[in-house]
Amino acid sequence: NAGVTQTPKFRILKIGQSMTLQCAQDMNHNYMYWYRQDPGMGLKLIYYSVGAGITDKGEVPNGYNVSRSTTEDFPLRLELAAPSQTSVYFCASSYLGQGAGEQYFGPGTRLTVT
Amino acid sequence: DAKTTQPTSMDCAEGRAANLPCNHSTISGNEYVYWYRQIHSQGPQYIIHGLKNNETNEMASLIITEDRKSSTLILPHATLRDTAVYYCIVQGGSEKLVFGKGTKLTVNP
Repeated sequence: NAGVTQTPKFRILKIGQSMTLQCAQDMNHNYMYWYRQDPGMGLKLIYYSVGAGITDKGEVPNGYNVSRSTTEDFPLRLELAAPSQTSVYFCASSYLGQGAGEQYFGPGTRLTVT
Repeated sequence: DAKTTQPTSMDCAEGRAANLPCNHSTISGNEYVYWYRQIHSQGPQYIIHGLKNNETNEMASLIITEDRKSSTLILPHATLRDTAVYYCIVQGGSEKLVFGKGTKLTVNP
């Protein structure tokens, strides 16, 4: 199994541009998550999904959108990129819900907005 | 906000046991203690979790005090590759995983 994969690994955006961060998992996990990590800080939850067609906001959802059309994929959309969105973005998945099982993380996407 | 308190940093000699403490004095009865680590900006990696009994797996041991207000993660024979930030997280039910700043463990040769 490839586990959780993320593309791209790195990206530089200009202010106001848009992009989609891709995330896929091949473990047939129902739960998927997007986090961001600013330098020297812990991870913050942006959005999560408990299954195809169901998404919900996390701690820091403003400026982002998600969709979950399949079990495998959970893309994160940035509209009108701002410098405050410069961060490392991690996607994760789990078989059980957040309080009941471990999460598996992807390698991250490093995004710079200038 | 994170429900746990961890030291900012710790050092350990290679080959010795690394004991990482975590305080979670407000933990409730249905909340688990999870440990993750993050090696040099890679994605976090799950290590172990427990409710009230001590747990052991191939990576580490988790010792939870009887009152569940604190716990210790033990890496029995630390190697240089164990240098990482270690996160202690308390969560249960449908709560969201909340990462604090963790403990930066440096394993020295």
